[in-house]
Amino acid sequence: DVKVTQSSRYLVKRTGEKVFLECVQDMDHENMFWYRQDPGLGLRLIYFSYDVKMKEKGDIPEGYSVSREKKERFSLILESASTNQTSMYLCASSSDRFQETQYFGPGTRLLVL
Amino acid sequence: KQEVTQIPAALSVPEGENLVLNCSFTDSAIYNLQWFRQDPGKGLTSLLLIQSSQREQTSGRLNASLDKSSGRSTLYIAASQPGDSATYLCAVAGGATNKLIFGTGTLLAVQP
Repeated sequence: DVKVTQSSRYLVKRTGEKVFLECVQDMDHENMFWYRQDPGLGLRLIYFSYDVKMKEKGDIPEGYSVSREKKERFSLILESASTNQTSMYLCASSSDRFQETQYFGPGTRLLVL
Repeated sequence: KQEVTQIPAALSVPEGENLVLNCSFTDSAIYNLQWFRQDPGKGLTSLLLIQSSQREQTSGRLNASLDKSSGRSTLYIAASQPGDSATYLCAVAGGATNKLIFGTGTLLAVQP
């Protein structure tokens, strides 16, 4: 069975903290993605990676960075968390960048106080 | 810029009804269109993927159609059940941005 896991389901952080969200997939997929989901705005792509150590900006990369040191793991980093980064963060992976099914993790609900 | 719209935003039906969810997109140059289901507080589960060369895809009680020229897709759910209650999202891949662009979803409630 396909599996994408995320390190935390719920996270509470303070403004200015450095935050790490981790995602692991067991399908040997080249491509991994980070989205955030907000009411009324839908899912928006933050960053994606099409290979180890490779990354590309999505639609809303400001305030975020990513790391992909191993094929199965893709990390999203909030360098200095702000309240407007309170959101649901979803990780996904696929065998093709955007032309095949994306498999999603359960999500991390982040609250920045 | 590709825009994906889903109407209605919310829908409530009695159990057993057949129903149709709608998705429209502005740029017809797509690779595929995908339908997902999202349960409250959870991630997305892929339901159906229709390639741009296809007209429809079926999985069990679900049937998705695609009309590229008019920029529309429908998700038909037959004999709805309370377990079908969830948010249904469509997403299109391709177009000028070559990314997956999501609609904001339709929240479906099937009343027992």
